Amino acid sequence: EPEVTQTPSHQVTQMGQEVILRCVPISNHLYFYWYRQILGQKVEFLVSFYNNEISEKSEIFDDQFSVERPDGSNFTLKIRSTKLEDSAMYFCASRPGTVTEAFFGQGTRLTVV
Amino acid sequence: SQQGEEDPQALSIQEGENATMNCSYKTSINNLQWYRQNSGRGLVHLILIRSNEREKHSGRLRVTLDTSKKSSSLLITASRAADTASYFCATDEWNTDKLIFGTGTRLQVFP
Repeated sequence: EPEVTQTPSHQVTQMGQEVILRCVPISNHLYFYWYRQILGQKVEFLVSFYNNEISEKSEIFDDQFSVERPDGSNFTLKIRSTKLEDSAMYFCASRPGTVTEAFFGQGTRLTVV
Repeated sequence: SQQGEEDPQALSIQEGENATMNCSYKTSINNLQWYRQNSGRGLVHLILIRSNEREKHSGRLRVTLDTSKKSSSLLITASRAADTASYFCATDEWNTDKLIFGTGTRLQVFP
């Protein structure tokens, strides 16, 4: 069964460093998402991506964040200068269209020290 | 209150009992979805109910949707220890392409 894959599963980085979280969505899906979940809290929307551009973003997704789909298969989230409060689980998701179920990856646990 | 608030926040039951979780939301929606999350893992889609549907079943899951009250419930019948997880509702709002998640219910099923 097709699945969304995310790498790495765990990333530890120093405050101020740049990180890139990688995702391979399901191949025939058109909509891509990043969400984050701070430990024990709710799943928060960060950004949606369709037709090679950002379609929506939340207030969390400030200038420190960017997304790319560099080669038609990978979908990346970059955090330019990490802060302690960026420590969270980051989930990538994809879906074939709007108003359908979303398929989530297993997440990348980002720890900023 | 926020879009997609759930209650209870936590629920503990014995195996074989039914578990009911509720979700309230604030905006107009295309559909409402329920997801399950095992501790520290990804979200797994359980069931989707469209705004023009009132009830839907899938195995031991039963979902209801009341758009006039902007609320939904998830019933898990004959629960098992393996159902222990967090359960989230998520709404597909009108004129957006994103899912907004609720606060979640942590379900503990004791054998």
